[in-house]
Amino acid sequence: RKEVEQDPGPFNVPEGATVAFNCTYSNSASQSFFWYRQDCRKEPKLLMSVYSSGNEDGRFTAQLNRASQYISLLIRDSKLSDSATYLCAVNTGRRALTFGSGTRLQVQP
Amino acid sequence: DARVTQTPRHKVTEMGQEVTMRCQPILGHNTVFWYRQTMMQGLELLAYFRNRAPLDDSGMPKDRFSAEMPDATLATLKIQPSEPRDSAVYFCASGLVGVEQFFGPGTRLTVL
Repeated sequence: RKEVEQDPGPFNVPEGATVAFNCTYSNSASQSFFWYRQDCRKEPKLLMSVYSSGNEDGRFTAQLNRASQYISLLIRDSKLSDSATYLCAVNTGRRALTFGSGTRLQVQP
Repeated sequence: DARVTQTPRHKVTEMGQEVTMRCQPILGHNTVFWYRQTMMQGLELLAYFRNRAPLDDSGMPKDRFSAEMPDATLATLKIQPSEPRDSAVYFCASGLVGVEQFFGPGTRLTVL
């Protein structure tokens, strides 16, 4: 079983839709969680950190469920510019981040 | 606007040649990471350094890859000899212990 797993998608949604991705992790000792966005042929860019209490940044909401060992990303009112691959990343202690393989989102007009 | 820089951005070389990729981390970050990304394998950690000391290079093929950090402003990843299966995008990232990492733009390597 991979340490961090994501549904690869693609998720095809119309503009204005709400879409949610989940990411599961296997190590219960994981301490830090992040969502990154990666555009085609570009580097991953930090989208948001995921806190135990959940956090929101505009149209984006991230949640952590420690009991079930997953994090989620909710995007409301999808824009064409949200089309990208979304990578979750998990840190266990002082190690490097472990990344999921990414979920591809395509927002359609 | 602090950012990680990498050179070269693109490299095309022939099998058997040496390839050196360079990375300048964000000033003040004490941890530097090298990742490789391919369509098939996704983002793989090759090696990382903390305070310039190598902490984990278990993701690297030791016979041909080497990573060093000669000073706090420069990290290098070397492949010698290169093989076609090394073709990938190589990302450097920097950060602080236990928190988010910031990626450079990557070096797109093609080995013919």
